[in-house]
Amino acid sequence: DTEVTQTPKHLVMGMTNKKSLKCEQHMGHRAMYWYKQKAKKPPELMFVYSYEKLSINESVPSRFSPECPNSSLLNLHLHALQPEDSALYLCASSQGWGGEVETQYFGPGTRLLVL
Amino acid sequence: AQSVTQPDIHITVSEGASLELRCNYSYGATPYLFWYVQSPGQGLQLLLKYFSGDTLVQGIKGFEAEFKRSQSSFNLRKPSVHWSDAAEYFCAVGANFGNEKLTFGTGTRLTIIP
Repeated sequence: DTEVTQTPKHLVMGMTNKKSLKCEQHMGHRAMYWYKQKAKKPPELMFVYSYEKLSINESVPSRFSPECPNSSLLNLHLHALQPEDSALYLCASSQGWGGEVETQYFGPGTRLLVL
Repeated sequence: AQSVTQPDIHITVSEGASLELRCNYSYGATPYLFWYVQSPGQGLQLLLKYFSGDTLVQGIKGFEAEFKRSQSSFNLRKPSVHWSDAAEYFCAVGANFGNEKLTFGTGTRLTIIP
């Protein structure tokens, strides 16, 4: 089973709200990723967690706060977002053996609209 | 650093016709290459990948791709497209810099006409 699940499917929030996106996988993968994808653009990497530790932060603004509470779960906490943060947020996972390129499996995404 | 070019922004193909989507990469060593497909509003689904070995790679849904080192290309092909193949296709390259970052191309949108 190569399934990554994401909730919620859609989210509308105001600029003063706090919300969280959730990602889950049960493939035993130890690397998990957050991507942001704007319309008609490729995914842009935001964060990488390897063995529950943040290994890559692509200079993402602090209004995005990732969290990896265990090896199966990845959260993205959102606070004081801007309308330009509206996008499809994709989660992915890979085996995470480290030091090598691996196949990443993507979830269906959360469509976020910031008003 | 690695890079990927997908020269075709949009391709229109008749149902039942053959398909080739182009992907060119730039990387100094042997690249790790992927093709993903994305239906509107959905996540990315892996079609196939090349890490090493046979340069002709078979994937899901009847797709195949051929790695040509001399041309720095990894083109995706399908002998006969179906209406359900209409989607966005992304080529991606990975490189062993001690991390697992993928670099995506800008994508090719495929439209199928009856």
